[in-house]
This record gives sequence, structure tokens and C-alpha cells, in this order.
Amino acid sequence: GDSVTQMEGPVTLSEEAFLTINCTYTATGYPSLFWYVQYPGEGLQLLLKATKADDKGSNKGFEATYRKETTSFHLEKGSVQVSDSAVYFCALTMNRDDKIIFGKGTRLHILP
Amino acid sequence: EADIYQTPRYLVIGTGKKITLECSQTMGHDKMYWYQQDPGMELHLIHYSYGVNSTEKGDLSSESTVSRIRTEHFPLTLESARPSHTSQYLCASTDRKGNYNEQFFGPGTRLTVL
Repeated sequence: GDSVTQMEGPVTLSEEAFLTINCTYTATGYPSLFWYVQYPGEGLQLLLKATKADDKGSNKGFEATYRKETTSFHLEKGSVQVSDSAVYFCALTMNRDDKIIFGKGTRLHILP
Repeated sequence: EADIYQTPRYLVIGTGKKITLECSQTMGHDKMYWYQQDPGMELHLIHYSYGVNSTEKGDLSSESTVSRIRTEHFPLTLESARPSHTSQYLCASTDRKGNYNEQFFGPGTRLTVL
């Protein structure tokens, strides 16, 4: 079945470091891909999305490119801040139904 | 900004009590969902609804029940709470945007059963 695999955490970085959180997917078809973020004590928020191959989603300095050839959607940020500390979820939807499949989440700690 | 609300935000109760977790959205979305989030952060879909009078069980078996009498309201009920029900519960609704669905989440209810 369809699935999402993302790197396990926690990931701990110093402020201003470069961030990559890996995400790969398995799907029979052409999914839309998402990154959601969950700040402490809150629900999930959509961070960015890409709906077709080679699309780049971006928001708040974060970027991810939909790579069909490697079935990947890695999240990157050039210079992280303490306020980026959160849990990040990679997700996909197959568009033919209304369910979203989430990865297990990656906790990110940014040290000042 | 998403307009989806959950109450209470935190609840501590004793074993055997009946509880209802409230979820409301003012966006007019037909599709709504309940997730259980374990301490390891993983999300498990436990219930969903495609509209009024529609409810379905999700991927993870749950002793909770849901109802959908009004479009904007999707409450979750536990008839007899147990410590194994201790978890974070997240409600969500979906808006169709072009060729994909975007889910909007409430802030969650953190339930502790003693």
C-alpha cells in the first residue's frame, strides 16, 4: 500500500545550521506531497506542498522538491532558528480519496 | 487561518468516566477526521466522516465512538475511560483545493485517564 518513510529523530542542530529531513514515499500513482509542522502543544499546520513532479514547495524559508525519479520529498532550510523547534511530518494524498498518509514524524531541536 | 476548535484542551479524569471530546469547524467542510497521537508522535486515524450522518472507523481500532449530526460538529465519546485511552486526540477537516485535499487541524485535546 501507499506509505511515507521519514528519517527518525530527534534531530539536534545549532542555530543557523543547514537542515535536511529526508522523506521518501511509496505510491501507486501520482500523489500530492506535503510537509506539516507541529509546534509544542498545538495541532498540525501545513508547512508546504507540491502537487506534481518537479514542483518545489516553499514557506518560511523551508523548501522541498517533488522528485518522482527518487520518490522523495526532502525538507531543507538554509539557516534554522530556535523557533523552528517542532515535529515535522511528511505526508501524501492520492487525490482519488480523501485520506492523508503521514510519516511517523521527526522531532527537531534547535540549540541557541 | 483554519477555524477548527477542540475542547477541552486538557482533561484529567478517573477510570470509568464517560467523556466527550468536542470538535467544531466553521469552514463548511464536509469531511472530518479524528486522529490519536501516541507519545512517539505517530498519528493514527481512528474515525472519519464524509458528511452528516456518515461515520466510518479508521485504520486504528478504537473503543471510542463518533457522531455527525451537524456539518460543523464531530464529537468523540468514550463511554468508560481507561488508562490505555491516555493520549493526544487531534481533530481535522478537509478542504478540496483543485486536485488535492488539504487537512486543517484543531489544537488537540490531551487526555489523561488515571
